[in-house]
Amino acid sequence: EAGVAQSPRYKIIEKRQSVAFWCNPISGHATLYWYQQILGQGPKLLIQFQNNGVVDDSQLPKDRFSAERLKGVDSTLKIQPAKLEDSAVYLCASSASSGGAVFFGPGTRLTVL
Amino acid sequence: AQSVTQLGSHVSVSEGALVLLRCNYSSSVPPYLFWYVQYPNQGLQLLLKYTTGATLVKGINGFEAEFKKSETSFHLTKPSAHMSDAAEYFCAVTDAGGTSYGKLTFGQGTILTVHP
Repeated sequence: EAGVAQSPRYKIIEKRQSVAFWCNPISGHATLYWYQQILGQGPKLLIQFQNNGVVDDSQLPKDRFSAERLKGVDSTLKIQPAKLEDSAVYLCASSASSGGAVFFGPGTRLTVL
Repeated sequence: AQSVTQLGSHVSVSEGALVLLRCNYSSSVPPYLFWYVQYPNQGLQLLLKYTTGATLVKGINGFEAEFKKSETSFHLTKPSAHMSDAAEYFCAVTDAGGTSYGKLTFGQGTILTVHP
């Protein structure tokens, strides 16, 4: 069974630039999560999707972050414009249902200069 | 609101020695508790979880953890450390009253080093 796929694995940008991350969850998984992991900290949930609808985006900085899952399969997370403090690993995770086991992808490491 | 505290950001043990990683949580509702492991440049992998029932739970790679409600703790142990156990370990909690295992609140992580 293929795992959660994320791309790119690494990204370096300058502050005020825009960046987008892509996630393809495990086939058939209805629930998708984006987490932000700042160096030295545990992951923090940014947003949860159930199919193509947002369940919880209370911790998403909506002035600069956006996420979509238009067809209920893969998802993109965008930052526009990026700030230095956005440097982190962005983890995507999925589960078959909101109560099912959660599987994490390898993450995208973002460095903002 | 929920929170997780992992005591000790770094733990170092010798190969063959007992591994003990400490986790305390704060939750206003009955929690579900998890331990995840993260190897360098990899995603998080679930080691074990407590939801209901037996308070001593066994996970993969010989790890186990015990839920102690009176102490609000969920410490992770392994009787004999192996070099391959070197990684970062995260304790996490979610609301048992909810329906999502994925809406997790994580601790700050503990880096485990295993010496030959």
